[in-house]
Amino acid sequence: QVQLVQSGAEVKKPGASVKVSCKTSGYTFTRYYLHWVRQAPGQGLDWMGIINPSGGSTNYAQSFQGRVTMTRDTSTSTVYMELSSLKSEDTGVYYCARGNSLVLTPMLAPEYFHHWGQGTLVTVSS
Amino acid sequence: EIVLTQSPATLSLSPGERATLSCRASQTISNYLAWYQQKPGQAPRLLIFDASTRATGIPARFSGSGSRTDFTLTISSLEPEDFAIYYCQHRSNWPLTFGGGTKVEIK
Repeated sequence: QVQLVQSGAEVKKPGASVKVSCKTSGYTFTRYYLHWVRQAPGQGLDWMGIINPSGGSTNYAQSFQGRVTMTRDTSTSTVYMELSSLKSEDTGVYYCARGNSLVLTPMLAPEYFHHWGQGTLVTVSS
Repeated sequence: EIVLTQSPATLSLSPGERATLSCRASQTISNYLAWYQQKPGQAPRLLIFDASTRATGIPARFSGSGSRTDFTLTISSLEPEDFAIYYCQHRSNWPLTFGGGTKVEIK
């Protein structure tokens, strides 16, 4: 079965960077897009961006552009999300999520999130 | 950016009652809408996609309807485990966005 297992909780100081991992299993890694979604404490869900695990292309939400980098390691079927210049407002739970759209071309596909990681709490505090 | 507005913010109902949740899009999105359920401390779970298709393993008491800009999630008879927060999400274009959520609480 599809599994997305994320790295553990992080505590960072303002201005630092954080890198969260999402290790996948149960399917062919390069055949499905992966996304990152953030949830601030007591708030709703914010889509951060998408990565094509096959070619590595990405598309980031404007609100995170310039601070977020999504990468992948095909040898370990893992995707990473790095967020830099952290502020207290970046505190929240970060989820990786996978849709069901097959990666057929280099184009990225808007989609729904059928599978989710367990979430990683990132706390930004001085 | 497409804005999804969910209403009401909170719905107070008793087990066995019918729940009707609304999601309105700021522009037409055809039927490219999904609904998720989230319980405290858990990741969201996909319930409905393409406005009316139930995801794998989702009970028949959950149904979705609507198209273009107005969508509805209906829970025909609330079970104790259905009290949660529900979000809608579109896939019409970039960026993907979510609604602000509707909390279904026990009356």
